[in-house]
Amino acid sequence: EDKVVQSPLSLVVHEGDTVTLNCSYEVTNFRSLLWYKQEKKAPTFLFMLTSSGIEKKSGRLSSILDKKELFSILNITATQTGDSAVYLCAVEANFGNEKLTFGTGTRLTIIP
Amino acid sequence: DAGVIQSPRHEVTEMGQEVTLRCKPISGHDYLFWYRQTMMRGLELLIYFNNNVPIDDSGMPEDRFSAKMPNASFSTLKIQPSEPRDSAVYFCASSPGRGGGYTFGSGTRLTVV
Repeated sequence: EDKVVQSPLSLVVHEGDTVTLNCSYEVTNFRSLLWYKQEKKAPTFLFMLTSSGIEKKSGRLSSILDKKELFSILNITATQTGDSAVYLCAVEANFGNEKLTFGTGTRLTIIP
Repeated sequence: DAGVIQSPRHEVTEMGQEVTLRCKPISGHDYLFWYRQTMMRGLELLIYFNNNVPIDDSGMPEDRFSAKMPNASFSTLKIQPSEPRDSAVYFCASSPGRGGGYTFGSGTRLTVV
């Protein structure tokens, strides 16, 4: 059974700090790893990673995948209160099987 | 594009009642997914459809849950009879497939009392 484990479960930091969120996975026939941000409603897409070692970047957020060690990290620099959310990691497996397996998420709280 | 549309946004019902959740996917998306989210278990896939055909329903908890997709623009998730442990946020998502990513609806918060 596919498995995604995120750590830490929750994190509280001050505005301006840098945070690193972790995601490890076990999946048969890995296809991609995705990061989502969930505030009070639906998860919104951040990144999709398919290749090892290639950093994806969007503003203050960046993410990288290590397919050998089976993990990914999501970095947020110069955090702002608007970054407070649950960050979800998901894996997609088996070409032609479109379902995602999600981790339980990391709850990030930014204190002003 | 209006995105994935779910209704109702909130539902409060008594144990034993039938509950029907509705979803309209993004036009042109061939895949539709129903997820349930709880604090304890996170996001769990219940069932997904490809071109209106159910592909994987292994996540449906038990026979009280059923899902249909009568056409490309509409799906329902029904719980009959409902129980308090069904209380959760139910998300619908759609995808064009082939690595095209998911778009989630805003969810239905179900409370069974």
